[in-house]
Amino acid sequence: GQNIDQPTEMTATEGAIVQINCTYQTSGFNGLFWYQQHAGEAPTFLSYNVLDGLEEKGRFSSFLSRSKGYSYLLLKELQMKDSASYLCAALDSNYQLIWGAGTKLIIKP
Amino acid sequence: GAVVSQHPSWVICKSGTSVKIECRSLDFQATTMFWYRQFPKQSLMLMATSNEGSKATYEQGVEKDKFLINHASLTLSTLTVTSAHPEDSSFYICSAREPSEPYEQYFGPGTRLTVT
Repeated sequence: GQNIDQPTEMTATEGAIVQINCTYQTSGFNGLFWYQQHAGEAPTFLSYNVLDGLEEKGRFSSFLSRSKGYSYLLLKELQMKDSASYLCAALDSNYQLIWGAGTKLIIKP
Repeated sequence: GAVVSQHPSWVICKSGTSVKIECRSLDFQATTMFWYRQFPKQSLMLMATSNEGSKATYEQGVEKDKFLINHASLTLSTLTVTSAHPEDSSFYICSAREPSEPYEQYFGPGTRLTVT
């Protein structure tokens, strides 16, 4: 079957760095997305990885290892507004998104 | 990025009535749109895949006769919740998929439905 695993909840301190891990098992693979979702709002796109390696975009970076079925989202210089759920989603061979349950990130001052 | 609109943003209806939610892709023609439902403090749940010009594909456990989906044009998909019940109260979110790689999904702002 197809499956995405990510931690349910993480807590970090303002100004610090946090890494949210995601492992996936899909029928075929056409890339991995990270989305951010604030409470009561729709998800917004953060990153897309299809090749191995690290993609950096400002304070946010995303890493992919296709051989390990593993990705992480790295958030630096955490701000209170980064408190949200972070959704990992893998694109399978039919270009359907397989969603993780999301990681709720709590930022403490 | 691309813009997807949803209307209405929120709606309150009485039990037994029907509610229609519209999802529009404003920047590109979307042959495929998706409808999700999200209950408080829970993850997104895919309800159905809406394909322009053909029948929607429903996920297991989603009643196709209760949640009617119409994707009559490349920029508009509608979800009609028929004979709504209080347990249908939820946050309904649509997304439109880019027609080319990486097939990114752009989400609408969501519709909060409350059935009294």
